[in-house]
Amino acid sequence: SQTIHQWPATLVQPVGSPLSLECTVEGTSNPNLYWYRQAAGRGLQLLFYSVGIGQISSEVPQNLSASRPQDRQFILSSKKLLLSDSGFYLCAWSVRTNTEAFFGQGTRLTVV
Amino acid sequence: GENVEQHPSTLSVQEGDSAVIKCTYSDSASNYFPWYKQELGKRPQLIIDIRSNVGEKKDQRIAVTLNKTAKHFSLHITETQPEDSAVYFCAASTGYSGGGADGLTFGKGTHLIIQP
Repeated sequence: SQTIHQWPATLVQPVGSPLSLECTVEGTSNPNLYWYRQAAGRGLQLLFYSVGIGQISSEVPQNLSASRPQDRQFILSSKKLLLSDSGFYLCAWSVRTNTEAFFGQGTRLTVV
Repeated sequence: GENVEQHPSTLSVQEGDSAVIKCTYSDSASNYFPWYKQELGKRPQLIIDIRSNVGEKKDQRIAVTLNKTAKHFSLHITETQPEDSAVYFCAASTGYSGGGADGLTFGKGTHLIIQP
């Protein structure tokens, strides 16, 4: 069966520090991968999606970047965190477009 | 791009009553409409979805209706139970953004509270 791993579960980082969140999927090949951010009262906002290695599409301009160095690995990064980057970050995968998205456990990021 | 509006933001119903959550979308090309349930501190999980070639879909106590002309879709939960308490998100997707797959555009969520 397929599983998705996302870590860390919680993270407290100072303003201006770098960020690296990692997500891996097991049990499937060539999944679509997504990073979402969930802010209180604002639902789930799509940040990045990827249909293959090295293929990244960004939905919103921001202080963050994403990379997909391997088929089932998706990384969310920032060189310098802002206070506004605080939130709940969720990685997700799907078999293909317009099918069920399976979410990771999420990372609660607090920038102080 | 797509914009999804969801109402209400909070819904409180008595146990056993029905709950209805409504969403509207802006992109007439959207053709996939899932609903996710997120319990406190947990990840969102799909509870039901509908595609644009279907007007209604039902799974036990949960049903979703879609009106393509009006560009709105709704979640209906009947005979509500305490375990239905959670945040519910609607979403929409066109499945195509010119260069590949796109992701889901979510509504802001509805906090459903089931009163005993």
